[in-house]
Amino acid sequence: ILNVEQSPQSLHVQEGDSTNFTCSFPSSNFYALHWYRWETAKSPEALFVMTLNGDEKKKGRISATLNTKEGYSYLYIKGSQPEDSATYLCALLFGNEKLTFGTGTRLTIIP
Amino acid sequence: DAGVIQSPRHEVTEMGQEVTLRCKPISGHNSLFWYRQTMMRGLELLIYFNNNVPIDDSGMPEDRFSAKMPNASFSTLKIQPSEPRDSAVYFCASSLKRDTEAFFGQGTRLTVV
Repeated sequence: ILNVEQSPQSLHVQEGDSTNFTCSFPSSNFYALHWYRWETAKSPEALFVMTLNGDEKKKGRISATLNTKEGYSYLYIKGSQPEDSATYLCALLFGNEKLTFGTGTRLTIIP
Repeated sequence: DAGVIQSPRHEVTEMGQEVTLRCKPISGHNSLFWYRQTMMRGLELLIYFNNNVPIDDSGMPEDRFSAKMPNASFSTLKIQPSEPRDSAVYFCASSLKRDTEAFFGQGTRLTVV
């Protein structure tokens, strides 16, 4: 079983503060890591796809880093806004091509 | 493109009945995934197709579940007979190739009473 672990499970952040959370995974047989944003009553939407050790991606106030040797990725949100409230999912593509999701970090921004 | 299209959006059925969920992936996408959303496991991968061929169905919970992809533009997930514990939201997703983002349909909310 390939475990994709995300922490924390949930997070409350004051509007305007910055925050980050973690995705951990077994480093062997790694192929790609995806981050998705999932708003309540909607479908997950992709934020980033990263494949190389040391990759850094940025989209507006959200950025992500990847360390495949130690098996982790961080997602950062700078200057949180209420619209950032969502569940953030990490998904791993391993050699066998199964896109396996973690259970997510539920982020709530407090106005 | 309209994105990944799933039908129906909602399904309520009685225990023991057959249920068929449908998915139309984005045109040109080679990979198709069926996921089930549960409180305990989050998004749980049921089965994965590549070029219409099932690659991994190890996530299919029981023999009551089956999935087909007869062509590149259509897939079905069938539950026969359905049970109350099958109640969940079922998502279909497709991607262009293995290392690109997956696009999700709106999901089918299944309730088995």
